[in-house]
Amino acid sequence: AQRVTQPEKLLSVFKGAPVELKCNYSYSGSPELFWYVQYSRQRLQLLLRHISRESIKGFTADLNKGETSFHLKKPFAQEEDSAMYYCALSGGTSYGKLTFGQGTILTVHP
Amino acid sequence: DAGVTQSPTHLIKTRGQQVTLRCSPKSGHDTVSWYQQALGQGPQFIFQYYEEEERQRGNFPDRFSGHQFPNYSSELNVNALLLGDSALYLCASSFGAGYNEQFFGPGTRLTVL
Repeated sequence: AQRVTQPEKLLSVFKGAPVELKCNYSYSGSPELFWYVQYSRQRLQLLLRHISRESIKGFTADLNKGETSFHLKKPFAQEEDSAMYYCALSGGTSYGKLTFGQGTILTVHP
Repeated sequence: DAGVTQSPTHLIKTRGQQVTLRCSPKSGHDTVSWYQQALGQGPQFIFQYYEEEERQRGNFPDRFSGHQFPNYSSELNVNALLLGDSALYLCASSFGAGYNEQFFGPGTRLTVL
């Protein structure tokens, strides 16, 4: 069974501080990992996926297969980063099916 | 392109009733996935439709069924509604049934009384 765990429901930081949103997964195979974001009053949208190895809005995430983690990081948080963040997984014969974590609400204070 | 659209926005039903939710995919997309998001939880996969067939299904009972039309739009039907079916129902579209990015709609808020 595949599972995604986001241990922090809430995360608060000040503007300019580094931020790390944690994501751990359980999957017996080679998964594809994603981070989705939902800004206030907007729909869920893809932030980044590990396979593309991009940096989006200053965020990066590295897949660590040994620790089964895919933490999202940004060196200097901005107020506009305040949102709900979901880590998600897809893989194997379940490609196309996204398994989401419970989400982390990030608040960046001025 | 309006992106993924869903209707209705909100819906109130009573226990035992049946409900149909609708989704129009983003232009150029041929695959539709449905998710249920209970309050305070992440979205949970219900099923995915591609080429008018259900290709994958999550852990949802047979009360949840769907359909995809030749124009790629889709419906989600829920029979014999339970209080626990109250949730935000999200539709996502993509191109092909693989790893391609899924674009989400705004959701339909279903309340079962």
